Amino acid sequence: DQQVKQNSPSLSVQEGRISILNCDYTNSMFDYFLWYKKYPAEGPTFLISISSIKDKNEDGRFTVFLNKSAKHLSLHIVPSQPGDSAVYFCAASVWGTDKLIFGTGTRLQVFP
Amino acid sequence: KAGVTQTPRYLIKTRGQQVTLSCSPISGHRSVSWYQQTPGQGLQFLFEYFSETQRNKGNFPGRFSGRQFSNSRSEMNVSTLELGDSALYLCASSSSSFATNEKLFFGSGTQLSVL
Repeated sequence: DQQVKQNSPSLSVQEGRISILNCDYTNSMFDYFLWYKKYPAEGPTFLISISSIKDKNEDGRFTVFLNKSAKHLSLHIVPSQPGDSAVYFCAASVWGTDKLIFGTGTRLQVFP
Repeated sequence: KAGVTQTPRYLIKTRGQQVTLSCSPISGHRSVSWYQQTPGQGLQFLFEYFSETQRNKGNFPGRFSGRQFSNSRSEMNVSTLELGDSALYLCASSSSSFATNEKLFFGSGTQLSVL
């Protein structure tokens, strides 16, 4: 039972344009959401998070949007850079628990 | 400050064997979590330890077990290996008792291949 889903396994975007990565979840108890980035041969690194009391959180070029009614969140990267090419994982949790549920990941490729 | 260290980086085993993977968390971190990454399945939660106690467990068979030592180092064991156990095993540590916030630091993983 995949509670966190990333339905696009890959995305290709031109440098300078916007990258939009999507994530859907099924568990309405989730109240904290995170995005991690992973380069080959490295562990995932934290990118940005959002709690369910917000619908948007920005950090530089990265913005996460949360639509609780649709159980959907998205990560916007603008402008996209070649160094952003990586696998992006969406993750969710119920605050106060100690278990992070990850999606299957989306491979982003930013080309010149 | 040294990051999360996992050893070995690569491992090749045959079906039926057992394997032990090691994880040294960031100094001062007391929570250690383990994840399995396979193509198409993302990162699947295995278990989480805090102060030598397993507090959470994912939906994996009993062949997967772990433990944490008093110095917070953790080991994960897989017995009776199956071909489907081939994966990247990631360890993550956290300074707080809640591993679900952004203060979760991952190691580079151990790539296990079962032949």
